[in-house]
Formats: sequence, C-alpha cells, structure tokens
Amino acid sequence: DAGVIQSPRHEVTEMGQEVTLRCKPISGHDYLFWYRQTMMRGLELLIYFNNNVPIDDSGMPEDRFSAKMPNASFSTLKIQPSEPRDSAVYFCASSPTGQLNEKLFFGSGTQLSVL
Amino acid sequence: DQQVKQNSPSLSVQEGRISILNCDYTNSMFDYFLWYKKYPAEGPTFLISISSIKDKNEDGRFTVFLNKSAKHLSLHIVPSQPGDSAVYFCAARAGGFKTIFGAGTRLFVKA
Repeated sequence: DAGVIQSPRHEVTEMGQEVTLRCKPISGHDYLFWYRQTMMRGLELLIYFNNNVPIDDSGMPEDRFSAKMPNASFSTLKIQPSEPRDSAVYFCASSPTGQLNEKLFFGSGTQLSVL
Repeated sequence: DQQVKQNSPSLSVQEGRISILNCDYTNSMFDYFLWYKKYPAEGPTFLISISSIKDKNEDGRFTVFLNKSAKHLSLHIVPSQPGDSAVYFCAARAGGFKTIFGAGTRLFVKA
C-alpha cells in the first residue's frame, strides 16, 4: 500500500503566482480531506470530499483557494493568486468510509513558501 | 474560534518518566476523540482514540483519559522514550467525520 501521495514536497513561488498542489488518496478510500498546518492554528480543515463530491468547504479561507476531485484517485488544491500568508504545510488525508471511529491517513505534505 | 485547544506548545520530559499532554474542547457535541503523532517532514499518524461513552482507553504505553464534564482529555505516555519526541495533535469529531484538530504540543524526551 503506497499510502497517500502528495506532490510536490516543496514549492517555492512568488506572490501573485498560481500554485497547484496534488494528492492521490489510498485506493478504495471514499473520503479525501485537505488540511493546512500553521504554527498559530495547527491543522485546519480546508475542505473534504465524499466520492469525489465536495461536502464541506467552509474552511477554505478565501476565493483564491479552490479544490477539485475529478476522479477517485486524484485531487488538486489551487491557490490563485498566492500570497505570503498562504505559506504553510498543506496535507491531504483520506479515509475508507468516513465512519465516526475511523482514522485518517495523511500524506507527507507539501511545504509551500510564497515569497 | 478554536474548538480544540492545546494550551502547551511544548513539553520536555526525562526518558523513563511520564509524559502528560492535555487538550480542552468547547463543543459539547464532540463524541469521538483522537490523538495523532507527527514527526518532522512526515504527515500525522494515528496514535489512539476514545469514544465519549468511555473515560479511558489504553494501548501499550499510551493511555487517553476523557473527562466530559470538564471537556478535557489527556494523553499519558509511560514510560517516555526518546523516540516519542514528536508533535502530538488532539482531534475531535461531532457525529461525523469532520475532524477538528488542535494546534499541537511538541514533546521532547531527553535521554
């Protein structure tokens, strides 16, 4: 089992540029989550999908952020235009069925630096 | 408004002693709680969990205690080992799979 795969591991970009983060969930998992980790706020839930459909995007900070899941094996988180305050580690996670007592499986994250 | 709070950013403990990590929550609808552990440059990994119908769950060196009336839970690690040095996240759910995390506590276990 390859686990949740995120790319790139590191992204450095300039303010105003478009950034696209990618995630491949574990095969067979129905739920996919995007989190952002910052020093001040810890792990914040941005959005999650069930069977490729966005269920709750209330954590998406601004309209500059968008997420898609075109199929069961791929999701993207896009920031356009990026700003220095978007610098953080972005994690993707998946879970099999979304049951209450189910754990999340996280990828290794993408370290984003916006200069 | 953070619903899950870990008020200690860091904790330092001697090897072999007990580590106690604390977590407070504000939402009385939370009915399932989890702890995740995170090493540098890796994603968080699940450690232990507890349902709101219990007040204690134990797994080897790790025990989680839940005090619903105080809206407080704690993670005990006994004995602490240098390999336990990591960031520990407390998390909670309210009847579903939307998992809310705290800010994390960095644990240092000194040899």
